[in-house]
Amino acid sequence: QKEVEQNSGPLSVPEGAIASLNCTYSDRGSQSFFWYRQYSGKSPELIMSIYSNGDKEDGRFTAQLNKASQYVSLLIRDSQPSDSATYLCAVNLRDTGRRALTFGSGTRLQVQP
Amino acid sequence: GAVVSQHPSRVICKSGTSVKIECRSLDFQATTMFWYRQFPKKSLMLMATSNEGSKATYEQGVEKDKFLINHASLTLSTLTVTSAHPEDSSFYICSASRGQGIGEQFFGPGTRLTVL
Repeated sequence: QKEVEQNSGPLSVPEGAIASLNCTYSDRGSQSFFWYRQYSGKSPELIMSIYSNGDKEDGRFTAQLNKASQYVSLLIRDSQPSDSATYLCAVNLRDTGRRALTFGSGTRLQVQP
Repeated sequence: GAVVSQHPSRVICKSGTSVKIECRSLDFQATTMFWYRQFPKKSLMLMATSNEGSKATYEQGVEKDKFLINHASLTLSTLTVTSAHPEDSSFYICSASRGQGIGEQFFGPGTRLTVL
């Protein structure tokens, strides 16, 4: 089992729709969770961080965390073509014993105009 | 806040030369910096973790003698690719975190290295 798992996509949604990106992780003791956006040829950009169970909203983005299910998701409302990118889920896995985040392989999102 | 710069953004060099890449945290003190490489359409691969004033911790399979990391201050880390070869051509990205806890990592813009 991969430590941080994401569907590679592409996930294709029409403009204005809600895009739902999912991520599962292996270590139940993990405490810190992040979503990054990476445009082609660019470096990752932090979008959201979440530490507690439940929802966290920031503008059009909502991160959802369910530690019991070891599941974190990102919802993008009113999707725009400019949201087309690869979205990386990152988790600090406690069982690795290190400070570095463990990244999923990313989900490519395509928003169709 | 939390801006990380990298220099150079792009470098082309001949095989056998060494290339130094700088990573700076501009508006915060980075207790830890990380170096990644990324091949086209692939995920980030962590190369090493460095803390200011101590030796870097390299990931399995990363040659420490080939990829020299120096974290001289709380705002500067450097990665030197020694005796570069075409297979070292990649996108190298640094990130930095602040504080002692497990917080966000802020990424630099990356350096695209092409070895001829």
